[in-house]
Amino acid sequence: SQTIHQWPATLVQPVGSPLSLECTVEGTSNPNLYWYRQAAGRGLQLLFYSVGIGQISSEVPQNLSASRPQDRQFILSSKKLLLSDSGFYLCAWNLDHNEQFFGPGTRLTVL
Amino acid sequence: AQSVTQLDSQVPVFEEAPVELRCNYSSSVSVYLFWYVQYPNQGLQLLLKYLSGSTLVKGINGFEAEFNKSQTSFHLRKPSVHISDTAEYFCAVHRSSSNTGKLIFGQGTTLQVKP
Repeated sequence: SQTIHQWPATLVQPVGSPLSLECTVEGTSNPNLYWYRQAAGRGLQLLFYSVGIGQISSEVPQNLSASRPQDRQFILSSKKLLLSDSGFYLCAWNLDHNEQFFGPGTRLTVL
Repeated sequence: AQSVTQLDSQVPVFEEAPVELRCNYSSSVSVYLFWYVQYPNQGLQLLLKYLSGSTLVKGINGFEAEFNKSQTSFHLRKPSVHISDTAEYFCAVHRSSSNTGKLIFGQGTTLQVKP
């Protein structure tokens, strides 16, 4: 069966520090991969998606970036965090038109 | 472009009462529809989905939803809720012709079940 992992589970970082969040999927090949952010009291905002290795599409301009160095690995990064980057970050995957499967999320607090 | 509107941001209801969470979408092309549930500090879990066929879809935890093409709605229902159903619920739509698998989510509805 397929599983999706995210780490770390929680992270507290100072403003201006770098960020690296990792997401890995097991048990499937060539999935579509997605990064979402949930700000407090708000819905899901799609940040990036990828349909293959090295293929990244950005949905909103911001100081975050994403990379997909391997088929089942998706990384979210920032060189300098802002206060507004705080939130709950969710990674998800799917195949074709099926539903998306979500990871457990990373709670990021920028102080 | 597709969009999803969840008409209620919060729905308070007493335990064992019925509940309906409303979802309307706009799209000029055929779509697939989904309902997800999110418990505090967790990821989203699929409740049910409509891809084709019967417009009444049954999901997990006793939930069901009905696809109404003429009203472009996909309302979620449960005849008797439990305290454990307290959570955030998201409606989502996917353009059936898309090859990216992207979902468009509504803003969510908080279901608060009171004893």
